[in-house]
Amino acid sequence: AQSVTQPDIHITVSEGASLELRCNYSYGATPYLFWYVQSPGQGLQLLLKYFSGDTLVQGIKGFEAEFKRSQSSFNLRKPSVHWSDAAEYFCAVGAGRTGFQKLVFGTGTRLLVSP
Amino acid sequence: GAGVSQSPSNKVTEKGKDVELRCDPISGHTALYWYRQRLGQGLEFLIYFQGNSAPDKSGLPSDRFSAERTGESVSTLTIQRTQQEDSAVYLCASSLGQDEQFFGPGTRLTVL
Repeated sequence: AQSVTQPDIHITVSEGASLELRCNYSYGATPYLFWYVQSPGQGLQLLLKYFSGDTLVQGIKGFEAEFKRSQSSFNLRKPSVHWSDAAEYFCAVGAGRTGFQKLVFGTGTRLLVSP
Repeated sequence: GAGVSQSPSNKVTEKGKDVELRCDPISGHTALYWYRQRLGQGLEFLIYFQGNSAPDKSGLPSDRFSAERTGESVSTLTIQRTQQEDSAVYLCASSLGQDEQFFGPGTRLTVL
C-alpha cells in the first residue's frame, strides 16, 4: 500500500533562512506527488505537483521540490522563508488504480518562522 | 462559485445523533473526494466519486458513514449515530479528470 512519511513534526526557521521539508513515499510505480499547504483556518492549497518529466518542479510562492526516485523522496525547498510561510505542510502521493482515485497524505510538518 | 464550498462550516452535535455534511464542487469537476482530518493529524481518505458513482469507498471507517452524489454535482456525507471519535474536520475536494484536487474549507464536526 502507498504511504508517505514526513519525519519532521515541527521545524523552526529564521525569517530569511532557507527551508527544506522532507518527504519520503512508498509506491510501486512512478508516483504522482504533491505538496499542499494549510494555513490556520484555511483550506489546503496546492504548492506544486510532480507527474513526470523534469525532476525539479517549481511551484507557487517561491517553493520548489525535487523528485529523487533512488531515495523515494520529494523534498520541498525554499531559498528564503517569509513570516507568512508559517503553516502546516503536507506531502501526498496519488493512489488507487489510476493514481488519481485518492491522495495518501503524510502527517504534516508544522513550520514556525522566527523573527 | 469559483471554489469548492462546504456547509455547514461548523457543526456541534450530541453523541448518537445523525449529521449531514454538504459539498459543492467546482462546476464541471467530474471527480469528488471526501477526507477526514483529526486534530493534529494528516488527512485520511474516505470516499471517491467519479460522476455519481463511487468506485472507491475503502476509506469509510464504518457502516455508520455513507455518502451520495447527485447530478454529478453536490455530495452529502452522512454520519449516523455519531460517536465522539467522529469529531474531526471533514474536507471535500474535486478535480477535473486526472489532475490536482482542489479542496474546500472543511466542516468542523464536534460530537459532545
